[in-house]
Amino acid sequence: SQTIHQWPATLVQPVGSPLSLECTVEGTSNPNLYWYRQAAGRGLQLLFYSVGIGQISSEVPQNLSASRPQDRQFILSSKKLLLSDSGFYLCAWSPALGSYNEQFFGPGTRLTVL
Amino acid sequence: ILNVEQSPQSLHVQEGDSTNFTCSFPSSNFYALHWYRWETAKSPEALFVMTLNGDEKKKGRISATLNTKEGYSYLYIKGSQPEDSATYLCAVNSGGYQKVTFGTGTKLQVIP
Repeated sequence: SQTIHQWPATLVQPVGSPLSLECTVEGTSNPNLYWYRQAAGRGLQLLFYSVGIGQISSEVPQNLSASRPQDRQFILSSKKLLLSDSGFYLCAWSPALGSYNEQFFGPGTRLTVL
Repeated sequence: ILNVEQSPQSLHVQEGDSTNFTCSFPSSNFYALHWYRWETAKSPEALFVMTLNGDEKKKGRISATLNTKEGYSYLYIKGSQPEDSATYLCAVNSGGYQKVTFGTGTKLQVIP
């Protein structure tokens, strides 16, 4: 069966510090991978998605970036965090074909930028 | 940018009451609609995926309908229980296959 891991679970960082959140998927090959953010009082906003190694699509302009160095690894990064980067970050995967893009979510990372 | 709207934002119902909420989306280029259930301190979990106009899906006391021509879906919960308390998210595939757009969710609180 497939599982998705995210870490860390919670993170408190000062403004201007770097960020690295990691997501890995097990039990499937060539998944579509996604990073979402839920800011306080808002819905899930798609930040990045990837359909293959090295392929990243960015949905919103921001100071975050994403990378996919391996088939089942997706990393969210920032060089300098802003207060507005605080939120709940979810990684998700979907099968490459045949599921109408049903999303399977990781446990999430709660990021607080102070 | 695809606009997916959900209403109400939140609601409180008494245990045993039935309830429903709405997801609205542009009807052009529709591909699929998903409902997810998101409990506090957990990850969102898929409830239904619907693709055809007139689709109806049911899982226990929860059911959903889809109208792609007018661009809406209803989620119904019959005989609400406290364990139904969660945020219910609607997500729509439109145009590009690889991504979905989520609504802001309806937060349901069932009072014992």
